[in-house]
Amino acid sequence: AQSVAQPEDQVNVAEGNPLTVKCTYSVSGNPYLFWYVQYPNRGLQFLLKYITGDNLVKGSYGFEAEFNKSQTSFHLKKPSALVSDSALYFCAVRASVSGGYNKLIFGAGTRLAVHP
Amino acid sequence: DAGITQSPRHKVTETGTPVTLRCHQTENHRYMYWYRQDPGHGLRLIHYSYGVKDTDKGEVSDGYSVSRSKTEDFLLTLESATSSQTSVYFCAIGGGGRASSIQETQYFGPGTRLLVL
Repeated sequence: AQSVAQPEDQVNVAEGNPLTVKCTYSVSGNPYLFWYVQYPNRGLQFLLKYITGDNLVKGSYGFEAEFNKSQTSFHLKKPSALVSDSALYFCAVRASVSGGYNKLIFGAGTRLAVHP
Repeated sequence: DAGITQSPRHKVTETGTPVTLRCHQTENHRYMYWYRQDPGHGLRLIHYSYGVKDTDKGEVSDGYSVSRSKTEDFLLTLESATSSQTSVYFCAIGGGGRASSIQETQYFGPGTRLLVL
């Protein structure tokens, strides 16, 4: 079955420290992976995606993600966390549905709390 | 929010009442989606559309129907609202198509918060 797992409900980080939000996936075929962020009472904002090529993907707001095929992981990282990074983060993988179309399968989300 | 609006933004209704949520896009995109967001579940796909009058079911479609009579509008109807349908509903556009657009990103609207009493 195609799925995404975010093993941590919450990640706590001190401002200025590096942060990692974990994501593992299971999908048949080539993985197309996405990270989104949701601020309170807002929709999901696209951060970055991995389609092919370089395993280190750079995205918005200084975030990056490392694709690891052997570990089926796509962890989100940032070298120096900001209090304003506090939000809910979702990992997603593109999966096939009937008729050859595709959909996104989301993880349950990880709440990132950055403390001053 | 990538030219996507949702209405209403907040709705309180009673059990058994029909409810229609509207998603409007100005991007002229072919693919549109409805998701619901619940704690511990992330986002789950309710229905999607790959063109005018072309729709299909997602993983949690029971109790929901959709219609798409124009490219820009995708309507989600709760035929008889239940308390289990209390949720935040998001519309999205983009991606999802066949090989030619598989790399496309999905962009999300601001959401509709629905409370069914």
